[in-house]
Amino acid sequence: QKEVEQNSGPLSVPEGAIASLNCTYSDRVSQSFFWYRQYSGKSPELIMSIYSNGDKEDGRFTAQLNKASQYVSLLIRDSQPSDSATYLCAVNIPTGNQFYFGTGTSLTVIP
Amino acid sequence: NAGVTQTPKFQVLKTGQSMTLQCAQDMNHNSMYWYRQDPGMGLRLIYYSASEGTTDKGEVPNGYNVSRLNKREFSLRLESAAPSQTSVYFCASSERSGRAEFFGPGTRLTVL
Repeated sequence: QKEVEQNSGPLSVPEGAIASLNCTYSDRVSQSFFWYRQYSGKSPELIMSIYSNGDKEDGRFTAQLNKASQYVSLLIRDSQPSDSATYLCAVNIPTGNQFYFGTGTSLTVIP
Repeated sequence: NAGVTQTPKFQVLKTGQSMTLQCAQDMNHNSMYWYRQDPGMGLRLIYYSASEGTTDKGEVPNGYNVSRLNKREFSLRLESAAPSQTSVYFCASSERSGRAEFFGPGTRLTVL
């Protein structure tokens, strides 16, 4: 089983809608969780981090963490065409100090 | 403030050739990482350096070596390139270990 699993998509939403991206992880000791945005042909860009159960909001982005169910999600409100990108989930595994990425979910926001 | 820089941006090698990918950061970060990204595989950690003077293997270290030359620079060496090493290579850095906060622009490597 992979450390981090994401639905590869593609996910399409109309402009102005809420985009919901999900990620599950396998190691219960994971403490830190991250979301990155990667435009085609570009490098990943860190957009959110979350460490505690519950929601964390930053502008139009909300990260949600549920450690009991081992999933982390990213909500993008009022989606814009400029949000069209691949979104990568990443998880820190404290033992061995490893940092694993999921394969990413491709999001397209349709004008 | 350039952030994380990588050289070269593109490279074509023949099987068996060697090369070194260079990475430098100007943010005084302690931790640096090398990842490769392949279609459908996501980002996979090759090697990382939690602090100056230390390096550790990641998920896919075979065929690679690294050097943490100083706090700024972290290089990745392919001793004998193979077609399976055709990929996009990203260097990243962070102030704290266990995460990659800032990525370089990437090196697109093709091994024929």
